[in-house]
Amino acid sequence: NAGVTQTPKFQVLKTGQSMTLQCAQDMNHNSMYWYRQDPGMGLRLIYYSASEGTTDKGEVPNGYNVSRLNKREFSLRLESAAPSQTSVYFCASSDGGTDTQYFGPGTRLTVL
Amino acid sequence: LAKTTQPISMDSYEGQEVNITCSHNNIATNDYITWYQQFPSQGPRFIIQGYKTKVTNEVASLFIPADRKSSTLSLPRVSLSDTAVYYCLVGVRFSGGYNKLIFGAGTRLAVHP
Repeated sequence: NAGVTQTPKFQVLKTGQSMTLQCAQDMNHNSMYWYRQDPGMGLRLIYYSASEGTTDKGEVPNGYNVSRLNKREFSLRLESAAPSQTSVYFCASSDGGTDTQYFGPGTRLTVL
Repeated sequence: LAKTTQPISMDSYEGQEVNITCSHNNIATNDYITWYQQFPSQGPRFIIQGYKTKVTNEVASLFIPADRKSSTLSLPRVSLSDTAVYYCLVGVRFSGGYNKLIFGAGTRLAVHP
């Protein structure tokens, strides 16, 4: 049981480039989430998906798009990266009926 | 969603009990209180959750007074490996099973030898 996996672990982009962060969970969870964490700060919710086929904006959605590909996978896309998007990105999932979210190891993204 | 307030940092020594208090004055009836732990370069990890009174598991205890406007995470006999950031969150259980959690800056606990 791998839990929540994220790829890549590290990424450096130039301003204006695009990329997709991948997330997968093998716990059969309905809900999945994308957060960003800036240095010394708490996590901020970007987007979430309550169930397969649905996505909703979180606290800081601007500049991002998401796709809930199937129950297992939830991807985050940056169409035109900006230096302000330099951060660590965490994916999480949760089971129905509980607040416990399980987090992946994170992707450290730097935009130059 | 209710906002939480907790100390920015705390220091302790190995073997001591550590109590981290979180204030959530505007907690709603449906909100649960959840604590997460985060080590550097890792994602947060669930520690404990409660609604009222006291909850205990193999890692920690959570004390919640009757008015639920605050809660205290208690870590018994801390070790160096408990050095981490601890987040207090309140969240609502939606019927669909998902939840929107608001993470604050957390409390940086440093355990010294």
